[in-house]
Amino acid sequence: GDSVTQMEGPVTLSEEAFLTINCTYTATGYPSLFWYVQYPGEGLQLLLKATKADDKGSNKGFEATYRKETTSFHLEKGSVQVSDSAVYFCALAVSSGSARQLTFGSGTQLTVLP
Amino acid sequence: DTAVSQTPKYLVTQMGNDKSIKCEQNLGHDTMYWYKQDSKKFLKIMFSYNNKELIINETVPNRFSPKSPDKAHLNLHINSLELGDSAVYFCASSLAGGLSDTQYFGPGTRLTVL
Repeated sequence: GDSVTQMEGPVTLSEEAFLTINCTYTATGYPSLFWYVQYPGEGLQLLLKATKADDKGSNKGFEATYRKETTSFHLEKGSVQVSDSAVYFCALAVSSGSARQLTFGSGTQLTVLP
Repeated sequence: DTAVSQTPKYLVTQMGNDKSIKCEQNLGHDTMYWYKQDSKKFLKIMFSYNNKELIINETVPNRFSPKSPDKAHLNLHINSLELGDSAVYFCASSLAGGLSDTQYFGPGTRLTVL
């Protein structure tokens, strides 16, 4: 079945460090790919998305490129801030009959220290 | 201004009780969802409704019954609560349930069953 495998956490970085969170997927057809972020005590919110191969999603300094050949959608940021501390979820959207549903990875906890 | 709201935010109850969680969205979206997030932050879809019709019903005990009185509301009723039902429940909505549609999440309801 369709699935998302995410880099295990937790990840702890110093402010201004480079961030990579790996995400690979297995899917039939052509999924859309997403990164969602969950700040402490809140619901998830969309960080970025890409809907076809070679698309790059970007937002708030974060980037991820849809790589069909490696079935990957790694999240990167050049210089993290304390305010980026959160749980990051990679997800894919697949068709299930008439519905489209999100399948999430297990989440990666990021802590950024000042 | 809240896009997706849930009540209550916290719910503590005894095993065997029946409880409901309410969800409302003011985004004019056609599709709404319920997710369960376990203690390890793993998220799994439970139900999806499109225009008040059930379109996704994952393997969930039939003690869980969603109800959509109109397309802006999707409530979750849980009968005979069990310890394993303790989790955070998130409601979400999207414009039309399309493959690339962003899902907007509520703040979550933390259910604790004693």
